Amino acid sequence: AQRVTQPEKLLSVFKGAPVELKCNYSYSGSPELFWYVQYSRQRLQLLLRHISRESIKGFTADLNKGETSFHLKKPFAQEEDSAMYYCALIRGSTLGRLYFGRGTQLTVWP
Amino acid sequence: DAGVIQSPRHEVTEMGQEVTLRCKPISGHDYLFWYRQTMMRGLELLIYFNNNVPIDDSGMPEDRFSAKMPNASFSTLKIQPSEPRDSAVYFCASSLVAGGPTGELFFGEGSRLTVL
Repeated sequence: AQRVTQPEKLLSVFKGAPVELKCNYSYSGSPELFWYVQYSRQRLQLLLRHISRESIKGFTADLNKGETSFHLKKPFAQEEDSAMYYCALIRGSTLGRLYFGRGTQLTVWP
Repeated sequence: DAGVIQSPRHEVTEMGQEVTLRCKPISGHDYLFWYRQTMMRGLELLIYFNNNVPIDDSGMPEDRFSAKMPNASFSTLKIQPSEPRDSAVYFCASSLVAGGPTGELFFGEGSRLTVL
């Protein structure tokens, strides 16, 4: 069975501080991993996907298969980063579905 | 495209009443998903469709919940009878593909249901 764990429900940092949102997964195959974000009063939307190895809004996430982790990081948090962040996993097959973690509410204080 | 459209945005009803939530996916998307979001359980997949056919409904809590997709541009999630524990935000999402590394779900704004 697959599972996505986000150990922190709430995370608070000050503006300019580094931030790391943790995500661990359990899956026996080759997962595809994503981070979704939900800003206040906005739709849940894709932030980044590990396959793209991209940096979006200053955020990066590296897949660590040894530690089965996909932590989301940003070196200097901004107030506008305050949002709910969901880590999600999809099985390698094309007919899978997204399994979401329970989410981490990030608050960036001025 | 206006994106995924859900209605109603807010629904307050009394226990025992029937609730129908509606969703219009993005045109051309072959997959449609219904999720439920609660503080305790986060985002849970209830059911998803491919080309209007239900593929996996293992997340549907119980027989009180039913979902249909009569055509490519419309889906409903019905709760009958509703109970206070059904109070949650219900999201509809659509996707061009359901998986693979490029898979991306496009979410609606959600329907906030309160059952008194």
